[in-house]
Amino acid sequence: GAGVSQSPRYKVTKRGQDVALRCDPISGHVSLYWYRQALGQGPEFLTYFNYEAQQDKSGLPNDRFSAERPEGSISTLTIQRTEQRDSAMYRCASSLEAEQTGVRNEQFFGPGTRLTVL
Amino acid sequence: TQLLEQSPQFLSIQEGENLTVYCNSSSVFSSLQWYRQEPGEGPVLLVTVVTGGEVKKLKRLTFQFGDARKDSSLHITAAQPGDTGLYLCAGANAGGTSYGKLTFGQGTILTVHP
Repeated sequence: GAGVSQSPRYKVTKRGQDVALRCDPISGHVSLYWYRQALGQGPEFLTYFNYEAQQDKSGLPNDRFSAERPEGSISTLTIQRTEQRDSAMYRCASSLEAEQTGVRNEQFFGPGTRLTVL
Repeated sequence: TQLLEQSPQFLSIQEGENLTVYCNSSSVFSSLQWYRQEPGEGPVLLVTVVTGGEVKKLKRLTFQFGDARKDSSLHITAAQPGDTGLYLCAGANAGGTSYGKLTFGQGTILTVHP
């Protein structure tokens, strides 16, 4: 596809259930990022991958959150035993590659998954 | 922890006015990006500034990166209703190996009234 896609676009779940959010990056992009964004606020970094390797997971709130990218393309963000405070917009982005400076780490964002935990 | 303070948080102006959004930090960033986000959409990159003191222009938008690479500004000349949106600055990590980690500011919600 032309851009980053995410599914589902909306997810409503009950507290205590597990959810899996999917991200399909732009073809050829090495780096993939997960963010969480509150309404009217800037995205909050969660984790990112280069190829299949998770480079930084310092933003994951706790051990209920995990992410994987087993084949270096599609990624899944999993939240176990969801809580109401997990309700948010979860955004995925991809870039040619993560580098210290320059244009190759310019990130292209997907439309997001709106998660609501009842 | 690297933080970016963005100001103002809200800006409501009339068409034709000029405005400036500021992005400040006590940390040094290797580069800084500005994004614009419309309701229901993801952020879209406007520009990346890399060199301290760098100035980039994009039509009516002027972006500046501070000499010490700790702060940046976005100036819009003769704002139009189509400029309405959430403006975000984001700093790329300096040092270490987590180059992909972007730290975003809180955002500035701009409303331009016709």
